[in-house]
Amino acid sequence: EVQLQQSGPELRRPGSSVKLSCKASGYSITDYLMHWVKHRPEHGLEWIGWIDPEDGETKYAQKFQSKATLTADTSSNTAYMQLSSLTSEDTATYFCARGAYGTSLDYWGQGVMVTVSS
Amino acid sequence: DIVMTQGALPNPVPSGESVSITCRSSKSLLYSDGKTYLNWYLQRPGQSPQLLIYWMSTRASGVSDRFSGSGSGTDFTLKISGVEAEDVGVYYCQQGLEFPYTFGAGTKLELK
Repeated sequence: EVQLQQSGPELRRPGSSVKLSCKASGYSITDYLMHWVKHRPEHGLEWIGWIDPEDGETKYAQKFQSKATLTADTSSNTAYMQLSSLTSEDTATYFCARGAYGTSLDYWGQGVMVTVSS
Repeated sequence: DIVMTQGALPNPVPSGESVSITCRSSKSLLYSDGKTYLNWYLQRPGQSPQLLIYWMSTRASGVSDRFSGSGSGTDFTLKISGVEAEDVGVYYCQQGLEFPYTFGAGTKLELK
């Protein structure tokens, strides 16, 4: 069974950074792209970018180009996203999701809430 | 960026009724391979989004045949035949044709 297990909620100060993890089970992360999506109730879903864990290639939405860094560790079958220079605008739930047919996202992690507050 | 615009539902909807959720894209999502890169998701309360439909009309694995997708290059419809309690949540369309991939704002389904 395919599962994506994300790390726990985070509370960070403005200006700091945070690294989120997404551990895959039931398949090898090198076989699929891994996407990351931001969710704020008043803003809906925003696509951040994807990483190809097989070769480390990444693609970002322009607005997240300097905010997010996607990496992957094939030995632990885990993908990561680091968010830097955090502001209140980064307070959101972040999902990892496996890329599938038609650039759809067929399996999603449970989401991780990041709160940025002084 | 491609803008995705979703319509609203006349909530609350009576159980067993059929509903259609609309989505419009600011650019045709029909690609040269003949496929239309439009996906549908359902986010139930407190849960992660679930893929329902990809390539505009192909049901994802395990998805009920009560869900069907249709449309043209820019106008799309997700039909739910006979809504049930488990269908409650927010439905999102998403284009996968161009970067950045973009989602609609969501359509909320509430049951009477």
